[in-house]
Amino acid sequence: QKEVEQNSGPLSVPEGAIASLNCTYSDRGSQSFFWYRQYSGKSPELIMFIYSNGDKEDGRFTAQLNKASQYVSLLIRDSQPSDSATYLCAVAIKAAGNKLTFGGGTRVLVKP
Amino acid sequence: NAGVTQTPKFQVLKTGQSMTLQCAQDMNHNSMYWYRQDPGMGLRLIYYSASEGTTDKGEVPNGYNVSRLNKREFSLRLESAAPSQTSVYFCASSLRGNTEAFFGQGTRLTVV
Repeated sequence: QKEVEQNSGPLSVPEGAIASLNCTYSDRGSQSFFWYRQYSGKSPELIMFIYSNGDKEDGRFTAQLNKASQYVSLLIRDSQPSDSATYLCAVAIKAAGNKLTFGGGTRVLVKP
Repeated sequence: NAGVTQTPKFQVLKTGQSMTLQCAQDMNHNSMYWYRQDPGMGLRLIYYSASEGTTDKGEVPNGYNVSRLNKREFSLRLESAAPSQTSVYFCASSLRGNTEAFFGQGTRLTVV
């Protein structure tokens, strides 16, 4: 079992719709979770981080964390063509000394 | 504010050659990371430095060595390059292991 898992996609979303991305992790003791966006040929850029159970909103993005079920999700509201990118989930794996471990990424395509 | 700076941006090596990838951060961060990213895949951790003077292996350390020269700099060395090491390499830093990480612009390495 991989430490951090994501559906590779592609996730195709009409412009203006909500994109929903999911991520599961294996280490129950982990406490820090991050979403990054990566455009083709570019480096990852941080979108959001979340440490507590529940929802955290920042503009059109909402991160949701459920530690009991060991998943973290990202919602993108009012999706725009500029949101087309690969979204990477990252977890600071506490059992491994808080090494920042990434999932394989989900490719999102927003179609006009 | 430069953030995380990697050099070089591009490099072509012949099999068996050696080289060092340089990384420096100016954010006074304690933790630094080296990742590799292969086509269609997420980021895989090569080595991690939680603080100055410490280093730890990640998921794919074979064929690499690292040096945490001081708090600012974290270098990655390929002693005898192999075609399997063709990849994009990213350096990142974070204040601590469980806080958000910021990435350099990447080094695209080709081993022929």
